[in-house]
Amino acid sequence: SYVLTQPPSVSVAPGKTARITCGGNNIGRKSVHWYQQKPGQAPVLVVYDDSDRPSGIPERFSGSNSGNTATLTISRVEAGDEADYYCQVWDSNNDHYVFGTGTKVTVL
Amino acid sequence: EVQLVESGGGLVQPGGSLRLSCVASGFSVSSYWMHWVRQAPGKGLVWVSRIKSDGSSTTYADSVKGRFTISRDNAKNTLYLQMNSLRAEDTAVYYCARHRPYLDYWGQGALVTVSS
Repeated sequence: SYVLTQPPSVSVAPGKTARITCGGNNIGRKSVHWYQQKPGQAPVLVVYDDSDRPSGIPERFSGSNSGNTATLTISRVEAGDEADYYCQVWDSNNDHYVFGTGTKVTVL
Repeated sequence: EVQLVESGGGLVQPGGSLRLSCVASGFSVSSYWMHWVRQAPGKGLVWVSRIKSDGSSTTYADSVKGRFTISRDNAKNTLYLQMNSLRAEDTAVYYCARHRPYLDYWGQGALVTVSS
């Protein structure tokens, strides 16, 4: 089955840039979606189809995908961005949906 | 406004059954594929199951295949997850979500606890 690997944690100072990676075999050939989850809340879609943003999501959130790594970038990080972030793809080989292991973003 | 509201969670003994419901508002479930996703306490998101808009096709994670059944009642605008032969490792918050094919709207979740 397809596996997506994320770093367990990323720490970033306010106003700086956080980059969260999502590694998978030839992930660049897939569409990657990213979700933000704050404690006690349901996940929220922040980037879809590698780099598109849903309405209401700040431009500070951006995504890219190439080769074996997809990346979610959060620019000008704010305290409110502190959350868990998950990448997700569709595994066409078995028609399953796969989430990454999740990354906890801490704002220093 | 699009909303998804889960219900039916609770405490069940190992080997028991439970049915979760997810009532949709602001859109028609008959027009969208729908998913169930779960999250064990302190753990990450895990996809459980998906059903297509016409109900003709379903798919399940290997960990629940043969035990869980996803279904929908378009007249009630409701998605279901029938869970049988429950195990301790099925303990989790269960979310329903709408497929776009990304998951654009999620419910608030229903807690299922499997314990004796």
